[in-house]
Amino acid sequence: EAQVTQNPRYLITVTGKKLTVTCSQNMNHEYMSWYRQDPGLGLRQIYYSMNVEVTDKGDVPEGYKVSRKEKRNFPLILESPSPNQTSLYFCASSTWTSGRHEQYFGPGTRLTVT
Amino acid sequence: GENVEQHPSTLSVQEGDSAVIKCTYSDSASNYFPWYKQELGKRPQLIIDIRSNVGEKKDQRIAVTLNKTAKHFSLHITETQPEDSAVYFCAASSAYGNNRLAFGKGNQVVVIP
Repeated sequence: EAQVTQNPRYLITVTGKKLTVTCSQNMNHEYMSWYRQDPGLGLRQIYYSMNVEVTDKGDVPEGYKVSRKEKRNFPLILESPSPNQTSLYFCASSTWTSGRHEQYFGPGTRLTVT
Repeated sequence: GENVEQHPSTLSVQEGDSAVIKCTYSDSASNYFPWYKQELGKRPQLIIDIRSNVGEKKDQRIAVTLNKTAKHFSLHITETQPEDSAVYFCAASSAYGNNRLAFGKGNQVVVIP
């Protein structure tokens, strides 16, 4: 089954404790992204990757890191989480086909930083 | 970069009526415009999309129209049903450069039975 998986699905942590949210896709997509979703602000892109070892900042990259060592995995790293990073996070993968760019979203990770 | 805006932020319709959500975009180089639906507690999912070489696209009860001159595109839902209640996101992207999708802030559609 084609899918994007994220772990963990829920996480409560404390300020300053490093954490990693994993993302994996099995569709051989080149393009992967991380978004955060906050009430009234929609989906804001944090980082994206156009292929292995190619990553770039999105709209809200401060406080986050990513890596793309393998095509299928795109972990999101919070080196020193702060309460303003409490949010719902989505990983997505996609590829361009015939001018279309359908993003397949993971199930989401709800992060609370206290 | 691209800026996408959606209006209205919340839309309530009676079951069976039509709903229309409009989005505007800023970058004239954008050429791909998808709509995503997010049901409560679920992930966003693509429901329909349109490329800039097409003015309208329909899929059963949903349709999207594009006006490149005015830089706006709209989602039309006819004969609304309770299962159409969700948050709808529009987005815009260019096939050139970094292929980023810029999303609007979303519209909450409530279908009243």
